[in-house]
Amino acid sequence: EVQLVVSGGGLIQPEGSLRLSCAASGFSVSDNDMNWVRQAPGKGLEWVSFIYTGGSTNDADSVKGRFTISRDDSKNTLYLQMNSLRHEDTAVYYCARMAMFGVLDLWGQGALVTVSS
Amino acid sequence: DIQMTQSPSNLSASVGDRVSITCRASQIISKYLHWYQHKPGKAPKLLVYAASTLQSGVPSRFSGSGSGADFTLTINSLQPEDFATYYCQQSYSTPFTFGPGTKVDIK
Repeated sequence: EVQLVVSGGGLIQPEGSLRLSCAASGFSVSDNDMNWVRQAPGKGLEWVSFIYTGGSTNDADSVKGRFTISRDDSKNTLYLQMNSLRHEDTAVYYCARMAMFGVLDLWGQGALVTVSS
Repeated sequence: DIQMTQSPSNLSASVGDRVSITCRASQIISKYLHWYQHKPGKAPKLLVYAASTLQSGVPSRFSGSGSGADFTLTINSLQPEDFATYYCQQSYSTPFTFGPGTKVDIK
């Protein structure tokens, strides 16, 4: 089955670090551009980060310098390393596969990250 | 950055109604515009991509139109399972911005 499964969410104190994982099955993350998207409580969807098949990355200004997207091709898994977390990073985080025209055609189920002391 | 706006932000409708949601980009984005349906506790679901192409498996009552900077999502004969929030998203350039969403609820 083609799917994405997100793990690693939880409660973390401000300035702490957390790593989200997104395990893919049924396709290779190395053959696809991959993204992270988040939704803060009561807010809309916000694009966070993007990794090209070639390995280069692009991040939203709101997380630049604090979050790092990466992938492990041997584990067929996408990651989001989140450092220096802030209250405003509290959100459900989704990973998503990007297809032709830049559409996000496959999404993981999401993981809640709560930044609070 | 490309800014995306949607109207209306909220829409009350009845089962069987025809509803339309508009999305406007702050610059020309050709056809790099996509529509998603999002329900609480679920992952967003792709409905329409490249402005007007229906994703496989999506009911034909959904349709998308537009090009350039102005786009529309139309739902013909609204069904109970269609009550959700709808987002447009541009992939013309990073950051891949989403519209603020349109919540469709029961009148």
